[in-house]
Amino acid sequence: KQEVTQIPAALSVPEGENLVLNCSFTDSAIYNLQWFRQDPGKGLTSLLLIQSSQREQTSGRLNASLDKSSGRSTLYIAASQPGDSATYLCAVQTGANNLFFGTGTRLTVIP
Amino acid sequence: GAVVSQHPSRVICKSGTSVKIECRSLDFQATTMFWYRQFPKQSLMLMATSNEGSKATYEQGVEKDKFLINHASLTLSTLTVTSAHPEDSSFYICSAGPGSRGNTEAFFGQGTRLTVV
Repeated sequence: KQEVTQIPAALSVPEGENLVLNCSFTDSAIYNLQWFRQDPGKGLTSLLLIQSSQREQTSGRLNASLDKSSGRSTLYIAASQPGDSATYLCAVQTGANNLFFGTGTRLTVIP
Repeated sequence: GAVVSQHPSRVICKSGTSVKIECRSLDFQATTMFWYRQFPKQSLMLMATSNEGSKATYEQGVEKDKFLINHASLTLSTLTVTSAHPEDSSFYICSAGPGSRGNTEAFFGQGTRLTVV
C-alpha cells in the first residue's frame, strides 16, 4: 500500500526566508503528485500538480520538484511571507484515481 | 481551476440523528467523487469513492450502512452520516476533478465540520 511521509512535521521561519518542504512516497507507480495548502478548519487549495513524466512545476514563489524513481518531491517556497503560514500537504494519485496524503507540514512564518 | 462546493461548512447535531453533506462540482461533470475524513492534526483518509449511477466503493473499515453515499447526478454527491455518535465528530471533505481517469487534478470542497453532541 502506498505510504506518503512529509518532513518536517512543523517548521517555523522568519519572514523572507526561503524554505523547502519534503515529501516521500513508497510506491513509484503514480500518475501525478499534488501539493495542497490547508488553512485551519478549511478545505484544501491545490498549489501545484506534477505529472509523473515531469520533473518540476512552478507557480509564482512556489516550485515543486518530482523524482519519481526515488519516490521524492520537494516544495520550495521563496521569500516566505506571514500569509504563507498554513499546513502543506502532498498527495500522490494512483490508478484508482484517489489520493494518498502525507501527514502534512505545519508552516509558521514569523513577521 | 475547477470549483467544488461543499455544504454545510459546519453542523452540530444530536447523537442518534442523521446528517447529510452535499458535494457539488460547479463547472464540470464528475463521474467520480471522493469522500475523505480528517481527524484533528492528522492527514486525510479516504472513506469512499462515489460513482455516478452506481454504488459507492468503501475503504476497509468504513461502515457503508453508517455512511450512506448517493451520487445521483454528474454534479452532486451526498454523504449521509446515519445515527451519528460523538465519535463521528470530524472534518469531512470531498474532492472531484475533471479529466480522464488516472490523471486528474483533484479539487476539494471547503469541508464540513461535524460535531455530534
